[in-house]
Amino acid sequence: QQPVQSPQAVILREGEDAVINCSSSKALYSVHWYRQKHGEAPVFLMILLKGGEQKGHEKISASFNEKKQQSSLYLTASQLSYSGTYFCGGVDFGNEKLTFGTGTRLTIIP
Amino acid sequence: DAGITQSPRHKVTETGTPVTLRCHQTENHRYMYWYRQDPGHGLRLIHYSYGVKDTDKGEVSDGYSVSRSKTEDFLLTLESATSSQTSVYFCAISRGPGTNTEAFFGQGTRLTVV
Repeated sequence: QQPVQSPQAVILREGEDAVINCSSSKALYSVHWYRQKHGEAPVFLMILLKGGEQKGHEKISASFNEKKQQSSLYLTASQLSYSGTYFCGGVDFGNEKLTFGTGTRLTIIP
Repeated sequence: DAGITQSPRHKVTETGTPVTLRCHQTENHRYMYWYRQDPGHGLRLIHYSYGVKDTDKGEVSDGYSVSRSKTEDFLLTLESATSSQTSVYFCAISRGPGTNTEAFFGQGTRLTVV
């Protein structure tokens, strides 16, 4: 079962903030976030290992609520370079599969 | 950049023919994955490997088989290609989910089954 992401797509003006959500029906050991530009491979952004632990990357940060098996990615003061499709990935407890969500397409306009 | 190479990068094949895609890594990572990417479905796990000759199924494994006879190579075979297997295929490598490190992706293989 893939993690579920929301929204599926979002359009923002440069400088606006965005939140992308990811939820899993299975207990996750860790949550990964990746960004994919059109025609390219996904690129790693960050890993979250513990419930509530936030790890940031410039103006992008994320959180992981272990109780709810939900993670959120926060993009602050979005830049044109943030455009792309964002994927959350989860590693289940009990096996070693890294499965990804359906993706969120983020478009930043000037 | 992580040393991961997929071949071929593009392939057109006929329905019913077998097809093999190759993923080659130079990082000596233990885990290797095959995903397919289709609009509306994101990245779906086909098969993965956690060591030489150690493989397991993912979410969409029907019609696919894999082999890993060496640490560096992970092969994905479509036993009898169908039009529903037209997709972009990505290979990924990682030291392992338990090591809390990221996965690195290859550049993808665009497969068209006609």
